[in-house]
Amino acid sequence: QLQLQESGPGLVRPSETLSLICTVSGGSISSNSYYWGWIRQPPGKGLEWIGSIYYGGSTYNNPSLKSRVTISVDTPKNQLSLKLSSVTAADTAVYYCARGSWDRYYFDSWGQGTLVTVSS
Amino acid sequence: QTVVTQEPSFSVSPGGTVTLTCGLSSGSVSASYYPSWYQQTPGQAPRTLVYSTNTRSSGVPDRFSGSILGNKAALTITGAQADDESDYYCVLYMGSGISVFGGGTKLTVL
Repeated sequence: QLQLQESGPGLVRPSETLSLICTVSGGSISSNSYYWGWIRQPPGKGLEWIGSIYYGGSTYNNPSLKSRVTISVDTPKNQLSLKLSSVTAADTAVYYCARGSWDRYYFDSWGQGTLVTVSS
Repeated sequence: QTVVTQEPSFSVSPGGTVTLTCGLSSGSVSASYYPSWYQQTPGQAPRTLVYSTNTRSSGVPDRFSGSILGNKAALTITGAQADDESDYYCVLYMGSGISVFGGGTKLTVL
């Protein structure tokens, strides 16, 4: 059974870079049937798509986050990573990683999420 | 920027039927947007309910159904139960790798 587990610092200082890892078990991150994404949820608010990475390495990001987002895959470690630069308090959120089905464009498996707080 | 619209809140009586909708700030939703629906309870990760407009995810009861109604995607819950009280989110695929979440609907069962 596929499992996704997010990990990383729970506290990040303003203007620094938020870095998270999603470890995938029970399946291969290099499968060409799926893509991988990051979604976040500020406290008390709705879900927001951050970006996705497809087989072959193509990445697509939420335009509202401009060029602050970097998503990559470490195939040998079966891990997905997220880097979000120049963070502010508005980036405080629960961050989820998820697997997407490439031909149906939906997220079929989710991690449990990890809370990241941006504060000095 | 395209906005995906959902009712902020809805209420339904136990055993009743409710239809939640997912629209666009400009234009109509069609199957080519691959509408999907997710259920989320407080403190939990989202759970996938429906994808590609009307295909239920594995293990989802058949009282959850998806469709296109008019110019919107829709999620209908037939025979609502107390544990259906959750937040519901739709997602539309805009093409070019871009997905957009709706603002979510808080469903109350009372």
